[in-house]
Amino acid sequence: DTGVSQDPRHKITKRGQNVTFRCDPISEHNRLYWYRQTLGQGPEFLTYFQNEAQLEKSRLLSDRFSAERPKGSFSTLEIQRTEQGDSAMYLCASSFSGLETQYFGPGTRLLVL
Amino acid sequence: KQEVTQIPAALSVPEGENLVLNCSFTDSAIYNLQWFRQDPGKGLTSLLLIQSSQREQTSGRLNASLDKSSGRSTLYIAASQPGDSATYLCALLEGGTYKYIFGTGTRLKVLA
Repeated sequence: DTGVSQDPRHKITKRGQNVTFRCDPISEHNRLYWYRQTLGQGPEFLTYFQNEAQLEKSRLLSDRFSAERPKGSFSTLEIQRTEQGDSAMYLCASSFSGLETQYFGPGTRLLVL
Repeated sequence: KQEVTQIPAALSVPEGENLVLNCSFTDSAIYNLQWFRQDPGKGLTSLLLIQSSQREQTSGRLNASLDKSSGRSTLYIAASQPGDSATYLCALLEGGTYKYIFGTGTRLKVLA
């Protein structure tokens, strides 16, 4: 068990470009969360998957954001037409139903120029 | 709308002190509450999880309590060490949702 991994760890992009991040949860975990964290703030919930089903999505998430979890394993988060306000750390966490403790990945730091 | 507040925002203490971090929330309809630590530039590490039916949890030098009626949780750290320096965040799971709401954290510095 190597924990939750995220790729890439850092991403610099120009405004208007699309970016995609990947999260690999702990293998037996069926729950997966995406969060966004800006400097000095706590993580902000973006979306939740149980297995392959996306069961909750923040109303703060604009139509430019989409997430998938095909086959209930890894997940991807895509941001289309990036804006400077999207610059943040994007965190992924996973857990197992009934145990609830969330295990976080190291995050992907996005900088939009 | 649920709001989670952590006070103080920053705390600096000499090594060996016992300290208490506070987390307040406005809606008592929660499923559980977790305390995390975050080191600079890193992801979060779960410290303790308290279910809504529980009053406290302990792990080593850490003790977390939950009082839903008053909308408060505290994290007690005994005999603080420089290695405890980090940002401590509380997060709660709203009842009936899968949405975790985090506080803004308390930045702790333990001086050797």
